[in-house]
Amino acid sequence: NAGVTQTPKFQVLKTGQSMTLQCAQDMNHEYMSWYRQDPGMGLRLIHYSVGAGITDQGEVPNGYNVSRSTTEDFPLRLLSAAPSQTSVYFCASSYRLAGNEQFFGPGTRLTVL
Amino acid sequence: RKEVEQDPGPFNVPEGATVAFNCTYSNSASQSFFWYRQDCRKEPKLLMSVYSSGNEDGRFTAQLNRASQYISLLIRDSKLSDSATYLCVVKVSGGYNKLIFGAGTRLAVHP
Repeated sequence: NAGVTQTPKFQVLKTGQSMTLQCAQDMNHEYMSWYRQDPGMGLRLIHYSVGAGITDQGEVPNGYNVSRSTTEDFPLRLLSAAPSQTSVYFCASSYRLAGNEQFFGPGTRLTVL
Repeated sequence: RKEVEQDPGPFNVPEGATVAFNCTYSNSASQSFFWYRQDCRKEPKLLMSVYSSGNEDGRFTAQLNRASQYISLLIRDSKLSDSATYLCVVKVSGGYNKLIFGAGTRLAVHP
């Protein structure tokens, strides 16, 4: 199993550009989520999904959209990038609920100029 | 006040030392507790869950004190490979079983 994969690993955007961060898992996990990690702060939940076709907002959803058309894929879209979105983004999945072990992808380092 | 607070460190210890990290949480509705390990520029990985009675996994011991709302992680006989950031994670009951991550405590083990 590949586990949780994320692409790209690194990305530089200009303010106002849009892009999609890809996330896929091959463990048949129902629960998937996106976090951002900033220096001196814990991981913060952006959006999450409890199954295909079901998504909801987390703690810091503004400026991001998600969709979950399949169990495997959970892309994160930045609608109009801002410097405040410079961060490391982690996708995670788990069997059923958030309280189970979270399996994280390798992360995407995003810089917005 | 942050919901989950950790001493950021770094804790610099020699090989073989015993080191302890504490973590405090503010939400009394917290249900479950975990320690994750994150190597530099890598993703977090589950180290161990923390049970009410305390639990041990090899050189690692986790304790929970609900009355004082803190959890601890003890590492005995530190190895160079233990150098990492240790994240305290709390699950709070709610609509989606929210996970709250601490900012992490950095450990550096030197020869």
